[in-house]
Amino acid sequence: DAKTTQPPSMDCAEGRAANLPCNHSTISGNEYVYWYRQIHSQGPQYIIHGLKNNETNEMASLIITEDRKSSTLILPHATLRDTAVYYCIVSDHTGNQFYFGTGTSLTVIP
Amino acid sequence: GAVVSQHPSWVICKSGTSVKIECRSLDFQATTMFWYRQFPKQSLMLMATSNEGSKATYEQGVEKDKFLINHASLTLSTLTVTSAHPEDSSFYICSATQGGTGNQPQHFGDGTRLSIL
Repeated sequence: DAKTTQPPSMDCAEGRAANLPCNHSTISGNEYVYWYRQIHSQGPQYIIHGLKNNETNEMASLIITEDRKSSTLILPHATLRDTAVYYCIVSDHTGNQFYFGTGTSLTVIP
Repeated sequence: GAVVSQHPSWVICKSGTSVKIECRSLDFQATTMFWYRQFPKQSLMLMATSNEGSKATYEQGVEKDKFLINHASLTLSTLTVTSAHPEDSSFYICSATQGGTGNQPQHFGDGTRLSIL
């Protein structure tokens, strides 16, 4: 079962930062937080992942709280092409299986 | 890098037919591959995990005789939907990872849309 909860939908104005929250209060010490997004009728696209430190790459930033019970994905300057369903996933204890939750449907508004 | 290719991307067939879907890692060796199913407006559901050269591990409720998985090499896994029926119509997605530890992201194919008439 998915170990994360996310708001079902969010809107963001084009050019503004999109902040997508995720709760994972039962995360274990060796479990990573992954973020993916899925555009309609395509496979999920990897965005970023982290263990406990904040991470940044060319796509986004990942902020993980100190107690690791929640995280936020930040898209610094949202574009229309960022409209997608965003999934926050906690890997299971073996580090293998991904159990997807319902995700957040982000709509970027012109 | 880390490209996963799935074939076919779309298939329509008659009820009772068996359908094979291929998943290939194009530029890396995939020690572990995963198969998911996604119904319209729903999230991805993990079906099974396969490691190269060993039998797949199926999630609870997934019939292993219905969904045959073969992971014969480090770059290829196949999913065969045997004697497919309309209720098997779905979007099937594979993913692959280079390692079995907790810090390797899965890389996904673009999915296969299966329609059973």
